[in-house]
Amino acid sequence: NAGVTQTPKFRILKIGQSMTLQCTQDMNHNYMYWYRQDPGMGLKLIYYSVGAGITDKGEVPNGYNVSRSTTEDFPLRLELAAPSQTSVYFCASSYVTGTGRQETQYFGPGTRLLVL
Amino acid sequence: GENVEQHPSTLSVQEGDSAVIKCTYSDSASNYFPWYKQELGKRPQLIIDIRSNVGEKKDQRIAVTLNKTAKHFSLHITETQPEDSAVYFCAASIQATGGSYIPTFGRGTSLIVHP
Repeated sequence: NAGVTQTPKFRILKIGQSMTLQCTQDMNHNYMYWYRQDPGMGLKLIYYSVGAGITDKGEVPNGYNVSRSTTEDFPLRLELAAPSQTSVYFCASSYVTGTGRQETQYFGPGTRLLVL
Repeated sequence: GENVEQHPSTLSVQEGDSAVIKCTYSDSASNYFPWYKQELGKRPQLIIDIRSNVGEKKDQRIAVTLNKTAKHFSLHITETQPEDSAVYFCAASIQATGGSYIPTFGRGTSLIVHP
């Protein structure tokens, strides 16, 4: 198992450019998440998905979009990049049973994004 | 929504000492409490978790306690070693509106273990 993989590892964007951060998991997890982590700060939830075709906003969704067409993939789209989106982005996945038992959340290696 | 407070933000100890990190949560319906360790430049990784029907859980030098009445839980690391130096995050997970289970993270504690 590769677990959770993310691409790219690092990217520099100019203000106003767009890009897609890729995330894939091979553990057949139903839940997937996108977080951003600013220096010295905790993890803030951007978007999450409880299964293919279902997505919902987290704490800081503005400026981002997601889609979940398959169980494995959960790309994050940045439209019109702004300096405030400079951060480290982590994708994560977990399995939640039908009775609400939450299992371990696994994180990808992260994507470091710099917007200049 | 859920609110998780974590203290202290920085903790400095000597090798061999114990370290305790505390978190409080606001929603009594929270039922799952994981702890993550994040080394510099790496991803967060689960080190231990506890569920609301358990008061204490131990795994070698690491233990977690949960006080549901007071709505707080703590991470205890005994016999600390330099490789324990990292940022530790607590989280509390609740069933959100619509039935989804979403964890809320604390802001993290930077643990420094001096040799």
